[in-house]
Amino acid sequence: SAVISQKPSRDICQRGTSLTIQCQVDSQVTMMFWYRQQPGQSLTLIATANQGSEATYESGFVIDKFPISRPNLTFSTLTVSNMSPEDSSIYLCSVGTLESYEQYFGPGTRLTVT
Amino acid sequence: AQSVSQHNHHVILSEAASLELGCNYSYGGTVNLFWYVQYPGQHLQLLLKYFSGDPLVKGIKGFEAEFIKSKFSFNLRKPSVQWSDTAEYFCAVTYTGRRALTFGSGTRLQVQP
Repeated sequence: SAVISQKPSRDICQRGTSLTIQCQVDSQVTMMFWYRQQPGQSLTLIATANQGSEATYESGFVIDKFPISRPNLTFSTLTVSNMSPEDSSIYLCSVGTLESYEQYFGPGTRLTVT
Repeated sequence: AQSVSQHNHHVILSEAASLELGCNYSYGGTVNLFWYVQYPGQHLQLLLKYFSGDPLVKGIKGFEAEFIKSKFSFNLRKPSVQWSDTAEYFCAVTYTGRRALTFGSGTRLQVQP
């Protein structure tokens, strides 16, 4: 399975600011996803990061709030914009391939907004 | 919308007890089924998966799961749990034409020595 790293691992941010989270994979992967895990809750898909084109967002998530970039097959970023305390969550990236439906997850970024 | 239900939110067992965690999904078409585990302080790991074929699948660390299509279920089992199995367990599904995972709410398992 691929080795996935995320930066930063955690951060504490002020309301109204933005944070960019990086996801790096040690091999080329077809599929990359961004999920959110709010405190005490399960994982919810934010968007699918598409290489070379705009991300595909799930209902309830918009590009202005969560802009995503994917410049190549090993790297993606998620920005959490104009943060509020409700954005306090763990943000995870995951990767998969077209050949298999399984996904592998990064360690996550724990974000606290004050 | 498709959904995944995990009915056991918090399970407490003694070591050597048997484990069964329930998972039900709401989609009538072709599905791919997964169990993920998150040990304290660690990231999500794939425990086992079902794509097709034998409905009884075996995963790592002695875990197994059975796909029962008529019941829309994919329950996780282990005959004898260990203290090191203390973790949160998530059932997840992908559906025809959808690569992203839909997760259940998770079950927190606490194994007492």
